[in-house]
Parts: sequence; C-alpha cells; structure tokens
Amino acid sequence: AQSVTQLGSHVSVSEGALVLLRCNYSSSVPPYLFWYVQYPNQGLQLLLKYTSAATLVKGINGFEAEFKKSETSFHLTKPSAHMSDAAEYFCAVTVADTGRRALTFGSGTRLQVQP
Amino acid sequence: DAGVIQSPRHEVTEMGQEVTLRCKPISGHDYLFWYRQTMMRGLELLIYFNNNVPIDDSGMPEDRFSAKMPNASFSTLKIQPSEPRDSAVYFCASSSDRVLNNEQFFGPGTRLTVL
Repeated sequence: AQSVTQLGSHVSVSEGALVLLRCNYSSSVPPYLFWYVQYPNQGLQLLLKYTSAATLVKGINGFEAEFKKSETSFHLTKPSAHMSDAAEYFCAVTVADTGRRALTFGSGTRLQVQP
Repeated sequence: DAGVIQSPRHEVTEMGQEVTLRCKPISGHDYLFWYRQTMMRGLELLIYFNNNVPIDDSGMPEDRFSAKMPNASFSTLKIQPSEPRDSAVYFCASSSDRVLNNEQFFGPGTRLTVL
C-alpha cells in the first residue's frame, strides 16, 4: 500500500519569503503524486501533479515541486509567498493499478503567511 | 463542464435520522470516489466505483453507511441511522481512465452536522 507523510502540520512564513512544504511518499510501484490546496470552507483544488514525464513540475499560482526518487520526496515550493497563499495543502499519492486508484492523502500542512 | 456537483452543501440533522448525500460526477468520467474529512482523521477514502461497480469499500466505517451508483451520472452516500461522530465534510471526486495520472476532480463537499 502507498502512503504519504507531510512534515509539519503548520508552517508560517513572511510575505515574500520562500515557501517549502515537505512531502515524503512510500509506494511499492511507481507513483503518481499530487499537491492539492484547500481554502477555508472550500473543496480541494489541484495545484500540480507528477506523472513521470518530468521530475520538476510546475503548477498554478507559482508553485512547483520536484520528484526525487532517491529521497522518496515531492516537496512543494514557491519562491515568494503571497498573502493569498494562506491555506491548507495536501500531498497525495496513487498508482496506476485499477484496484488502487484512490488517493492516499497526507495529514495536511496549514500555511500561514505573515504580512 | 460544470465540474463535480454535490448536494446538499450543508446538512444538519438529528441523531438517528437518515442522511443521503448526492453526487454527480463529471460527464465521461468512469471513476467516482467518496472521501470524508474530519479534524481527527484528515481526508480518508470511504468507497470508490469504476464504471458504476464498487471497487473498494474498505473505508466505509460500518453498516450504517452505504453507497450506490445506479448509473454513470449519479451516486449516493447514505447514513442510517446517523450519529454525532459522523459529522464531517464529505467529498465526492471523479476521474477518467483515459487520463493515466489518475487526476481526481473534487466537488465542493457536503458539510454534515449530526446533533
């Protein structure tokens, strides 16, 4: 079975500072990896996805993530935080097997952006 | 496309009552997923369907929960009888087998409160 670990349930940065949200995965087969964002009282919106085409993945709102197989990591970064980035971020993993198509989510990281 | 549609958006009920949550997936998608989000357990899979057939229902908490997908454009999640611990946000998501990366599209969720 696959799993995801997000280090840090809360991260606080200053506006304009680098954002780094950590995600490590475990999977016995090549995974598909995702980052979703959830704004207060809203659903989940896809930020970016890793599909094995490229290890550096660019997403919406200036976010990007790098797949590192040797480290089993898929950390999310943004060079300069904006106040509107304050939200909860979820890393998720799935695989191509029909019997295991569901997403397994990490516990989430709440990002706070200080003015 | 209108995206994944869920109804109702909010539901408040009393313990012991039957609750039915509804979902309309994106047209043409052949996978449908039900997830539950709580503070204690985070985002967890309840059940998912492929071509209207349940594939994995191991996340369904107990016999009080049941899910159906009578056709490709409609699914229900029923709780009978409901209990206060069922209070959560329930998300429906759908995906297409033609997209290899299993990207899932989420509905806005139904916030259930059981008094």
